[in-house]
Amino acid sequence: DGGITQSPKYLFRKEGQNVTLSCEQNLNHDAMYWYRQDPGQGLRLIYYSQIVNDFQKGDIAEGYSVSREKKESFPLTVTSAQKNPTAFYLCASSIRGGGHTGELFFGEGSRLTVL
Amino acid sequence: AQSVSQHNHHVILSEAASLELGCNYSYGGTVNLFWYVQYPGQHLQLLLKYFSGDPLVKGIKGFEAEFIKSKFSFNLRKPSVQWSDTAEYFCAVNAGSGYSTLTFGKGTMLLVSP
Repeated sequence: DGGITQSPKYLFRKEGQNVTLSCEQNLNHDAMYWYRQDPGQGLRLIYYSQIVNDFQKGDIAEGYSVSREKKESFPLTVTSAQKNPTAFYLCASSIRGGGHTGELFFGEGSRLTVL
Repeated sequence: AQSVSQHNHHVILSEAASLELGCNYSYGGTVNLFWYVQYPGQHLQLLLKYFSGDPLVKGIKGFEAEFIKSKFSFNLRKPSVQWSDTAEYFCAVNAGSGYSTLTFGKGTMLLVSP
């Protein structure tokens, strides 16, 4: 089955620690995205990548970092600099990066709680 | 940059009632418009989309949406809701030309009582 796999599903972290969320897709999509979902806030874009070895900041990139070394993988690191990291994180992909008119396909999400 | 406004944060309906969820966007050029749905415990999935052509688009599960350019609106409708329509609904927009990421509204939580 093609799709997007996010792990872990639930994660607890102590303040001051970095944590990396995994996102893997086997859809052969060029573009990948990270969104953050908070109650009443909708989805806000953190980072996106249109192609391997390239990525751009979204609307709320501060305190986050990403890499795109392989087409299938787009991990997100939540650093200790992120002031309010407790949230639900969604990874998505789309067929093309440039001239984007296609739909996004989403993973099931990772819920991060900072204690 | 584009923005999206969804009018209702929470909507409660009885089964068989009609549904209309409001969505307005702010962007001066051509746009692509989407409605996504997130059922409890499931991943976000596409309900319907508008790129061009007939402004009345039909999606899955009996949903439809109408693009009214003069009102910058893309309201979602369903004539008769079911309990299984309980979910959170998100409107999204991106620019119709060039590269543009999706901008989402804040979502509307729909609760349908049996």
